[in-house]
Amino acid sequence: RKEVEQDPGPFNVPEGATVAFNCTYSNSASQSFFWYRQDCRKEPKLLMSVYSSGNEDGRFTAQLNRASQYISLLIRDSKLSDSATYLCVVNLASGGSYIPTFGRGTSLIVHP
Amino acid sequence: DVKVTQSSRYLVKRTGEKVFLECVQDMDHENMFWYRQDPGLGLRLIYFSYDVKMKEKGDIPEGYSVSREKKERFSLILESASTNQTSMYLCASSSLRQVGAPQHFGDGTRLSIL
Repeated sequence: RKEVEQDPGPFNVPEGATVAFNCTYSNSASQSFFWYRQDCRKEPKLLMSVYSSGNEDGRFTAQLNRASQYISLLIRDSKLSDSATYLCVVNLASGGSYIPTFGRGTSLIVHP
Repeated sequence: DVKVTQSSRYLVKRTGEKVFLECVQDMDHENMFWYRQDPGLGLRLIYFSYDVKMKEKGDIPEGYSVSREKKERFSLILESASTNQTSMYLCASSSLRQVGAPQHFGDGTRLSIL
């Protein structure tokens, strides 16, 4: 079983739509969680960290459900520029540091 | 702002060559990572380091080695390049001092082995 799983999509939505992605993780000892955005042929860039109480940054809302071991990302009022791949990342403590584990990403296409 | 710099954006090498990919970060981060990314497979961790001269194997270390002689620099070495090592290579760094610190990535190196 993969440690971090995401629906690869693509999610094809019109501008202005609300879209949500989920990401499940298998290790209950996972400690920190992030969403990254990756544009085609570019490096991943941090979109937002995910906190236990949930957090919001403009049109983006992230939630963590430790009991069910998933995190979610909600995008409201989608823009054409939101088209990208969204990567879920889970950090697991290991020795004196931690190991980040990436999901394979969810592709979002926002069309006019 | 964190800056992670990879030495080359594009690189073409021949089978059997020894290949060096360099990565430098300017934020005094303890952790540094090397990934490769292939279509449909996502990012896969090759090696990481959480201190000078320390290295840990990731998920796919075979055919690779690393060097961390200075805190700011983490090198990935392909001992004898093979065509199946054609890929996008990404370096990242993060702080060990901050709990839950995110990673910051370089621009990536597109490596082709002929």
